[in-house]
Amino acid sequence: DAKTTQPPSMDCAEGRAANLPCNHSTISGNEYVYWYRQIHSQGPQYIIHGLKNNETNEMASLIITEDRKSSTLILPHATLRDTAVYYCIVTRRSDKLIFGTGTRLQVFP
Amino acid sequence: NAGVTQTPKFRILKIGQSMTLQCTQDMNHNYMYWYRQDPGMGLKLIYYSVGAGITDKGEVPNGYNVSRSTTEDFPLRLELAAPSQTSVYFCASSYGDRNEKLFFGSGTQLSVL
Repeated sequence: DAKTTQPPSMDCAEGRAANLPCNHSTISGNEYVYWYRQIHSQGPQYIIHGLKNNETNEMASLIITEDRKSSTLILPHATLRDTAVYYCIVTRRSDKLIFGTGTRLQVFP
Repeated sequence: NAGVTQTPKFRILKIGQSMTLQCTQDMNHNYMYWYRQDPGMGLKLIYYSVGAGITDKGEVPNGYNVSRSTTEDFPLRLELAAPSQTSVYFCASSYGDRNEKLFFGSGTQLSVL
């Protein structure tokens, strides 16, 4: 059973912030939210993860709601190279990653 | 540092043939994984290994076999290829079981006709 729900596709203008939502209403207390992305047909690439606090790194920011039932991945200044499929995955830190179908983000000029 | 290397990049098999997909990593990672990705779908875990000599099944292990005789190598064996095994196969590795540290190879595109 899928633990997350993501929109199948989104568009974003180059230079603008891309906000990718993810619903995970059945998340358990010891489960993390992970984001990976897959550019074209390459292998997935880790972006960011979090438990309950908001997180930021050089690639993106992760905003997790206080009830932890949803989260948003933010790419602050999207570029054409950010066009990819983005996967939101909820799992315990040592459990294996289960990928859903993700959100296909198209960044346009 | 090459990371995770998969060979071959492309392969066409006839039904019933067998082959081995190679995966090697030079990062001294103890965990290694095999995933498959069908068109328009997410990745599904086939097998994984937590160290040399130890392997375990993932979500979709039927029709595949693996071995892990060294830390570096984790080959995936298809014994009797079937059209349902047409897919892109990704190998990944990590140091320990931390999900934020998975590194993926570039994939092997396999067609079974």
